[in-house]
Amino acid sequence: AQSVTQLGSHVSVSEGALVLLRCNYSSSVPPYLFWYVQYPNQGLQLLLKYTSAATLVKGINGFEAEFKKSETSFHLTKPSAHMSDAAEYFCAVSVSRPAGGTSYGKLTFGQGTILTVHP
Amino acid sequence: NAGVTQTPKFQVLKTGQSMTLQCAQDMNHEYMSWYRQDPGMGLRLIHYSVGAGITDQGEVPNGYNVSRSTTEDFPLRLLSAAPSQTSVYFCASRGTGYNSPLHFGNGTRLTVT
Repeated sequence: AQSVTQLGSHVSVSEGALVLLRCNYSSSVPPYLFWYVQYPNQGLQLLLKYTSAATLVKGINGFEAEFKKSETSFHLTKPSAHMSDAAEYFCAVSVSRPAGGTSYGKLTFGQGTILTVHP
Repeated sequence: NAGVTQTPKFQVLKTGQSMTLQCAQDMNHEYMSWYRQDPGMGLRLIHYSVGAGITDQGEVPNGYNVSRSTTEDFPLRLLSAAPSQTSVYFCASRGTGYNSPLHFGNGTRLTVT
């Protein structure tokens, strides 16, 4: 079974500073990985996804993430934080082959990281 | 394009009451799912469906019921609400392929007193 661990439930940065949100996954088969963002009182929006075409993935709003198989990581970064980046961020994993039955298609989410940006 | 639509946005129930959370999508997605979101616990899968007439349990299915009679609709039923079911509920759908992202509704905030 796949799983995701997000290191740090809260991350605080200053405006203009580097944003680094950590995500490690566990999967016995090649994973597909996603980052979502949730603004207050809204649903989740897709930031970016890794689908094995390239290890460095660029997403919306200046975010990017790098897939590192040797480290089983998919950390999210942004060179310069903006106040509007304050939100909760979720890493998620989907496996490429089903375990059997109707279990395919499920995404497993990490616990989330709340990003605070200070002026 | 409406995407995934959830109703209601807010609901307050008394313990023991039943209700149905509605979810509809207009993207012709076969896969639909329900998650609950609780502080510090991320999103936990309640039930999911891979097509009309096919449903399966997720991580936390107890106390919830689902059915899928059409591709578009995937309602979630609370049979006898309990305070532990106070949460924010999200419906989500995705297209075919393991690299397809989930598309989320805006959520239903449920309080059970």
